[in-house]
Amino acid sequence: GENVEQHPSTLSVQEGDSAVIKCTYSDSASNYFPWYKQELGKRPQLIIDIRSNVGEKKDQRIAVTLNKTAKHFSLHITETQPEDSAVYFCAGGSYIPTFGRGTSLIVHP
Amino acid sequence: SAVISQKPSRDICQRGTSLTIQCQVDSQVTMMFWYRQQPGQSLTLIATANQGSEATYESGFVIDKFPISRPNLTFSTLTVSNMSPEDSSIYLCSVEDPSGTDEQYFGPGTRLTVT
Repeated sequence: GENVEQHPSTLSVQEGDSAVIKCTYSDSASNYFPWYKQELGKRPQLIIDIRSNVGEKKDQRIAVTLNKTAKHFSLHITETQPEDSAVYFCAGGSYIPTFGRGTSLIVHP
Repeated sequence: SAVISQKPSRDICQRGTSLTIQCQVDSQVTMMFWYRQQPGQSLTLIATANQGSEATYESGFVIDKFPISRPNLTFSTLTVSNMSPEDSSIYLCSVEDPSGTDEQYFGPGTRLTVT
């Protein structure tokens, strides 16, 4: 089955800085890579996703890049704000996505 | 999108007892999923529940411990049987997007504490 590795486990940045979270996957057949944001005590919510026929996707301050050859994908958050503080999960797969271990992002005002 | 509710939102149970968690969706969906999220951890898929057939369990999870029902296209239950403190976790149900995209939507979760 799919194996998704996520780094770093914790990321601390100053407000206004950029944040990058990286994930790798093992199954070359995986074709769907969503990113979820989970605030403390809340449910995971999809923030952006990318499919294997696309190399990059942007939505305002967030972007995701995918390198199929290297089997890695990344989440980029620019101009971080304190409300971006949360746990972010990457996921990957071709049927039911496998989740990474999560990155706790802390944005200091 | 889909609106998902779960009951109960939280419970404290004694070891050896069982708890049934309900998941209700506002749209008909083919696939419903049950996840476990232990404190500070990622989401682990327990099983996939399809209407009209037995649930498909992931490695490490068995039907005797986590029986699942899926009586119709908008409802499912997960039972955590013969509980031990190691079952203390958040249990989330999830559904695929009713409009047919790959997106998944999650319920609010059930926080279970076993004493």
